[in-house]
Amino acid sequence: LAKITQPISMDSYEGQEVNITCSHNNIATNDYITWYQQFPSQGPRFIIQGYKTKVTNEVASLFIPADRKSSTLSLPRVSLSDTAVYYCLVGDRGNTNAGKSTFGDGTTLTVKP
Amino acid sequence: DTGVSQNPRHKITKRGQNVTFRCDPISEHNRLYWYRQTLGQGPEFLTYFQNEAQLEKSRLLSDRFSAERPKGSFSTLEIQRTEQGDSAMYLCASSTEGAGREKLFFGSGTQLSVL
Repeated sequence: LAKITQPISMDSYEGQEVNITCSHNNIATNDYITWYQQFPSQGPRFIIQGYKTKVTNEVASLFIPADRKSSTLSLPRVSLSDTAVYYCLVGDRGNTNAGKSTFGDGTTLTVKP
Repeated sequence: DTGVSQNPRHKITKRGQNVTFRCDPISEHNRLYWYRQTLGQGPEFLTYFQNEAQLEKSRLLSDRFSAERPKGSFSTLEIQRTEQGDSAMYLCASSTEGAGREKLFFGSGTQLSVL
């Protein structure tokens, strides 16, 4: 299983760009990197997924270097509503490896006014 | 699409009692997962179904835990002879099959407290 390391917490201010890095040194060739957002008393919600280089969608960007041993979730111009826990998930989303996908322990992002 | 539904939202039980949770996935999703989450931790994989077949079980899933997904629709997770260490949030997620591109859709979870 890939060992996931994320910062426990981060603080930011409204309007700033936030970058959260996830370390996954023993990522396997078939593993994808997925980020989820979780609010209190709710299940995680998909944000973005990538395999290599850069992926961008309407809410975030994901940067993955060539060695794929880390990844960075970038949230542009955060607002108070982005205060949440962010999880990095690394794993092979193929048919037979559900149990081998590993969530990190999450990064608590606090956005201040 | 009403999302993944889990019931009950909260369950308080006494040690030694049996509890059962229900998960209704998004209707067209054929993959269903159960996770357990404790405070300050990420979700831990428990088990996975593709349609009605239970394809994987974590070693975390002791003999007291059993899950079913009859007819490939809703799923139940039963814990027998509950222990205080079973107190956690139990999350259900569903997805469509798609190797490498899977997105998990989670329910809001069932918070179990064992007294």
